Amino acid sequence: EADIYQTPRYLVIGTGKKITLECSQTMGHDKMYWYQQDPGMELHLIHYSYGVNSTEKGDLSSESTVSRIRTEHFPLTLESARPSHTSQYLCASSYIAGGPIFGPGTRLTVT
Amino acid sequence: QQQVKQSPQSLIVQKGGIPIINCAYENTAFDYFPWYQQFPGKGPALLIAIRPDVSEKKEGRFTISFNKSAKQFSLHIMDSQPGDSATYFCAASTRTDKLIFGTGTRLQVFP
Repeated sequence: EADIYQTPRYLVIGTGKKITLECSQTMGHDKMYWYQQDPGMELHLIHYSYGVNSTEKGDLSSESTVSRIRTEHFPLTLESARPSHTSQYLCASSYIAGGPIFGPGTRLTVT
Repeated sequence: QQQVKQSPQSLIVQKGGIPIINCAYENTAFDYFPWYQQFPGKGPALLIAIRPDVSEKKEGRFTISFNKSAKQFSLHIMDSQPGDSATYFCAASTRTDKLIFGTGTRLQVFP
């Protein structure tokens, strides 16, 4: 079944830890995105990729980094987590002519 | 400066009512206008989308009305049901990618 997966779904971690949020899609989409969303609030684009080895920063400045080594995989990394990074992180993917399809999200809490 | 303005922030209707959510945009280069539905703890799901060459699009109980000259578009939900209770986001982009989202409307449909 074609889908987009995010792991973990929930993560509680201490300040200063390095974390990687995983995102994979089985639809063969070229475009992938990371959005950040505080509870009940709008979504802000933080990273996007048009294909393998292509990554760009989004409109919202973020201390996270991303990589796109394989078409289906788009992980997001925080080298040193801080309480200000507490949020929900949503991964999405799309074809060239289609709107993004979102994964279930990772809810991150940094204590 | 917010490029996509959404109203109202919240909406309460009775079952069978027709909630209407409005969005306005500023960038005339936008050519793709989707609506997303988000339930608590889930990622947003693409509901319906429109391009500026048509003034209305209907899918099931959901209708988008689009006014290019006024730079406004709206979502109408016909015969609303309690299961429609969710947060709705409008969005806009050029070439379907890098969506800019509205601030969301929390809809509650009471039996």
